[in-house]
Amino acid sequence: DAGVTQSPTHLIKTRGQQVTLRCSPKSGHDTVSWYQQALGQGPQFIFQYYEEEERQRGNFPDRFSGHQFPNYSSELNVNALLLGDSALYLCASSSLQYNEQFFGPGTRLTVL
Amino acid sequence: GQSLEQPSEVTAVEGAIVQINCTYQTSGFYGLSWYQQHDGGAPTFLSYNALDGLEETGRFSSFLSRSDSYGYLLLQELQMKDSASYFCAVTGGGYQKVTFGTGTKLQVIP
Repeated sequence: DAGVTQSPTHLIKTRGQQVTLRCSPKSGHDTVSWYQQALGQGPQFIFQYYEEEERQRGNFPDRFSGHQFPNYSSELNVNALLLGDSALYLCASSSLQYNEQFFGPGTRLTVL
Repeated sequence: GQSLEQPSEVTAVEGAIVQINCTYQTSGFYGLSWYQQHDGGAPTFLSYNALDGLEETGRFSSFLSRSDSYGYLLLQELQMKDSASYFCAVTGGGYQKVTFGTGTKLQVIP
């Protein structure tokens, strides 16, 4: 079982650019959640996808958008990058039957 | 909205017991989770409490009191590898919407 995978591992962008991060959930999981974790802080919930629909959304602007594909993999898109978007972006997968979330290793985004 | 409070740092001796407290505010509470995160790593799930009481999993136990909006994580027989950040997280304000606390950095010393 490969677990949750994310790509890329690291990414450097400049202000104003756009970025796409990818996530493949753990086998058997149908729900994907995205989190932003700034240094020294807890993960902040961005949104959650289930059955290719956004089910829940945290307090993030519309610059943050996502997508879930029929194979349950997911993308996080961030437009018009700001310096403050620099963070570790974590993807977590789960099944609606269970409360445990499995996290991927994250993508470290640096905005210059 | 949802908010959680937990101590920022705790230091404990190897072999000892440590308790990390968490208080929360949320609408539509579903449950309280605990996650461990080592520096540079991803959070890993430790426990989930939906009902009042104590849940035990090996050296780790987690407690919930819904009436007090309070929970704690108890780590017994501390080992050096337990040095990490521990996050409480509440599921509420929407089904499977998970809000994390700011984390407690546990340092285990010899």
